Amino acid sequence: GENVEQHPSTLSVQEGDSAVIKCTYSDSASNYFPWYKQELGKRPQLIIDIRSNVGEKKDQRIAVTLNKTAKHFSLHITETQPEDSAVYFCAASKGGGFKTIFGAGTRLFVKA
Amino acid sequence: SAVISQKPSRDICQRGTSLTIQCQVDSQVTMMFWYRQQPGQSLTLIATANQGSEATYESGFVIDKFPISRPNLTFSTLTVSNLSPEDSSIYLCSDKTGGTDTQYFGPGTRLTVL
Repeated sequence: GENVEQHPSTLSVQEGDSAVIKCTYSDSASNYFPWYKQELGKRPQLIIDIRSNVGEKKDQRIAVTLNKTAKHFSLHITETQPEDSAVYFCAASKGGGFKTIFGAGTRLFVKA
Repeated sequence: SAVISQKPSRDICQRGTSLTIQCQVDSQVTMMFWYRQQPGQSLTLIATANQGSEATYESGFVIDKFPISRPNLTFSTLTVSNLSPEDSSIYLCSDKTGGTDTQYFGPGTRLTVL
């Protein structure tokens, strides 16, 4: 069935360093790839998304890249700050009425 | 994006009882979903709440345990029935507006079953 694998499960970086989270999806028909940030005790918040007709998208310190051939997509956070510490979930969807499949999550720690 | 609210935000229930969670969206949305998130885990889809018809359940979730209502385009309820400690979790509703794929989440309901 549809599956999204996410790595690593835990990531610890020093403040100011970059963080990269990688995901792989199984359904080649997937065309929408959102990323969510979930702080402790809070709801998941959409932070960036990308569609299959785009290879890269940036929003300030956050960027997402997509390789459709390899069915890989990645989240890049530059100049990390302590407030970036959270759990990040990648997801994939075929859009429209199809459900969204979530990765297992990456717990990011940014050390001051 | 639509503003999503949930009630209650948390509850402690005795085993064998039921809890009904309400989800309200401030604008009409096409699709509403119910998720479960166990501590330290990802989001697991329970069902898609369909307006005016029965919900569509994912594998491992059944209507008798998780009855869902969606009487209109802005409101849905999830009932967790015959509670056991294994049902202790966070339950989140989510919406998707027609014409977009973007999905937003409610604040969640933290359920503890004793």
